[in-house]
This record gives sequence, structure tokens and C-alpha cells, in this order.
Amino acid sequence: EIVLTQSPATLSLSPGERATLSCRASQSVSTYLAWYQQKPGQAPRLLIYDASNRATGIPARFSGSGSGTDFTLTISSLEPEDFAVYYCQQRDNWPYTFGQGTKLEIK
Amino acid sequence: EVQLVESGGGLVQPGGSLRLSCAASGFTFSSCDMHWVRQVTGKGLEWVSAIGTAGDTYYPDSVKGRFTISRENAKNSLYLQMNSLRAGDTAMYYCARASVSGLPDYWGQGTLVTVSS
Repeated sequence: EIVLTQSPATLSLSPGERATLSCRASQSVSTYLAWYQQKPGQAPRLLIYDASNRATGIPARFSGSGSGTDFTLTISSLEPEDFAVYYCQQRDNWPYTFGQGTKLEIK
Repeated sequence: EVQLVESGGGLVQPGGSLRLSCAASGFTFSSCDMHWVRQVTGKGLEWVSAIGTAGDTYYPDSVKGRFTISRENAKNSLYLQMNSLRAGDTAMYYCARASVSGLPDYWGQGTLVTVSS
């Protein structure tokens, strides 16, 4: 089973700042990695698929990069609605595992 | 508009069974892979199962042999039969459609399963 490790566990930033979230895989997942955003009481929302492709309707301030074992989700300038929990998920091998999440909180 | 509506959750005793359903609309259900994902309150996401358009199924070890995913294309419906339930299966269960990448893009709002005596 591929283990995804996200860091940091919590990221405290202010609106307007740049956020950089990391997801590291225990073995290569090529570019088969997605990022999700989840707000309290809501279902997850797909942001990025296949490492760097924005999903439909996702603002350009969200970008993904990486391949192999190291991936990054970048939010270029934080908006108030971006404070949430972010998860990565891989689809290179069954089972399709998730990372444990990064909580992005307002500083 | 893509819609996924889960139902069937509730309180069940350890060792019991429950069948979750997911009603899909707004897309060609028969052409899409589908997933179930669960989340313990306040915790992270755990992928539970997937089914392909050809009926191929996939599970993590944590539910293999106890859970069965199935689909009924004529009814645009996805199911999760859960047997031998344990306290650790208590969670919100989400139905999700797979995008072209294979991973979920649209999610339902979830149905809560509580396993307790």
C-alpha cells in the first residue's frame, strides 16, 4: 500500500499570502495524484488531478506540481474562502490511498 | 448538473449489516467508474471501494471480504453492502463519481453509519 504523507499538518497564514502544501509518496505514483479541499460539514471538492491539472471551475490561484514521490499544491494568494483542510490522493496503485490532510488556518 | 444522493445509513449493532445506496443523476452513469469513501468525524478520508464500468471491483484490506460494491445502471444507482460491521466502520460514507483521471470529481453529501450496541 502506498502511504502519502502530507506536511505540514497545520499551516497558519493570512489572506493574501502564498500557501505551499506538500504530499510525499512512499513510492513513485508517477503523476497520478489529486488534491482535494474540504470545508467543515461539506464533502471534499476536487481541485487538481494528475498532479497539475485544475479541475473544472477551480480558480487559477490553485496550482499543482510534482511527479514521482514529491508533490506540491500552491495557492498563490489566499482568499478567505481558501481556509480549509486539503488532502492528496493517489491512483497509481490499489488501494487508492489518501494523505492525512493539511489544515490551512487563518493566522 | 451532476447529483449524487446517498441513503441507507443509520445505527446498527456490531456484527450487523447495512446496505447503502447512491442515486446518481445529471451524467451518463453507466459510463463512469464510481467510488465509496468514508470519513470518521473529525478525521481524514479513507477510500473504501470502487467499481468500474465493466463491474470490476476494488477494496482496501480493511473492508475486503466484508463490503461489496455493486451498481445497477438501469436505475443509475450505486450500492455498498456492508456485513460484519465493527465499531471502526462508524463514519460518514460518501459516494463519488470518478473523473477521466479515475479519481473522484463529484461527491454526494454523505450518509452516516454508526456501529454501536
